[in-house]
Amino acid sequence: AQTVTQSQPEMSVQEAETVTLSCTYDTSESDYYLFWYKQPPSRQMILVIRQEAYKQQNATENRFSVNFQKAAKSFSLKISDSQLGDAAMYFCAYSAGGTSYGKLTFGQGTILTVHP
Amino acid sequence: DTGVSQDPRHKITKRGQNVTFRCDPISEHNRLYWYRQTLGQGPEFLTYFQNEAQLEKSRLLSDRFSAERPKGSFSTLEIQRTEQGDSAMYLCASSAYPRRAHYGYTFGSGTRLTVV
Repeated sequence: AQTVTQSQPEMSVQEAETVTLSCTYDTSESDYYLFWYKQPPSRQMILVIRQEAYKQQNATENRFSVNFQKAAKSFSLKISDSQLGDAAMYFCAYSAGGTSYGKLTFGQGTILTVHP
Repeated sequence: DTGVSQDPRHKITKRGQNVTFRCDPISEHNRLYWYRQTLGQGPEFLTYFQNEAQLEKSRLLSDRFSAERPKGSFSTLEIQRTEQGDSAMYLCASSAYPRRAHYGYTFGSGTRLTVV
């Protein structure tokens, strides 16, 4: 079974600084996808960024980028120029490819606090 | 496109009662997913549908839980004989499979169940 582990229950960052959230996963699949989701308090889950396992290039979305280390099964999220609106719970998630694509396995989450 | 709609937003029920939640996906989405999220944890997969067919049901889901998607549109999740351990946020998501862009994978705002 696939597992996703986030070892940082809480992280904090100063506004305009950079923070990195860690995630490791375990799978025996070769075709899979990794995601970072943001869940603000009492609000719905929002996709931040997605990475295809077959792509060597790390995904980027504006201020958000990932460091995908396939051999180490590591998938960290870097948030640059942090903003107050980035404060939320962040979840790392995994999906196998193929017909099971979209069935997500989530990590435990990291609460990110942004200090002004 | 009004997004994924879940009803009710909150439900308080007495232990032993039955409850039913509804999820209305984005109209053109053929896949629909149910997740359960307890406080401070990541969502856990419960079950998912492609059109009206239930493709997989988690082993976490006891026989007290049942889900349907009778016409391939909205879905219901029923919990019979509720227990205090069922208290959680129940999230629904929908997507258009086999599109892989994933950015159409949309979560609803959830139904928060409290069993007293």
